[in-house]
Amino acid sequence: AQKVTQAQTEISVVEKEDVTLDCVYETRDTTYYLFWYKQPPSGELVFLIRRNSFDEQNEISGRYSWNFQKSTSSFNFTITASQVVDSAVYFCALSEVHTGNQFYFGTGTSLTVIP
Amino acid sequence: KAGVTQTPRYLIKTRGQQVTLSCSPISGHRSVSWYQQTPGQGLQFLFEYFSETQRNKGNFPGRFSGRQFSNSRSEMNVSTLELGDSALYLCASSLASGSYTGELFFGEGSRLTVL
Repeated sequence: AQKVTQAQTEISVVEKEDVTLDCVYETRDTTYYLFWYKQPPSGELVFLIRRNSFDEQNEISGRYSWNFQKSTSSFNFTITASQVVDSAVYFCALSEVHTGNQFYFGTGTSLTVIP
Repeated sequence: KAGVTQTPRYLIKTRGQQVTLSCSPISGHRSVSWYQQTPGQGLQFLFEYFSETQRNKGNFPGRFSGRQFSNSRSEMNVSTLELGDSALYLCASSLASGSYTGELFFGEGSRLTVL
């Protein structure tokens, strides 16, 4: 069964629009970690944020914000006032405490910001 | 500080051959994980090494193997290559493993094409 689902395959927005990337996860563990990564065309996955299952406090970092809701098993990511440099593929990932660094990645959402 | 370094960046092989990919983690990181990325299957966990020991292994055939050296550098090998092994192979390093799950730092990957 897919542990991380990113239903949005591709999104296009016009520069300066806000965009939300959805992520739904599935786990039976009570302790787990959620991540968002960005993959530009160069291929390297760039870490954006890490959240543990006990910390539901939402976070804002510059133009990025994250909404973690355990009740709906969702960990959504919003980019405010999008820029062309935000164009990339974004991955949501889950790690369960008993499997260490084995991350379960979603299929990714390709974001294109049109100038 | 230097990031995760993967070599070679690109390589082309033919079916039946074998290939060895190398990964140098961030200095001080003792965990190295390998992931395969393909358009069809997305990002899939191959294995993780910590202190020269394989900690965890994904659902891949025995043709995929790896090892880690005392300086934390890691290699992965794929024998008897198949067309389906064409992929971007990503290496990721982390400070630790096990119950602590920090973020993974990824290299730019080795893009393998099997003809």
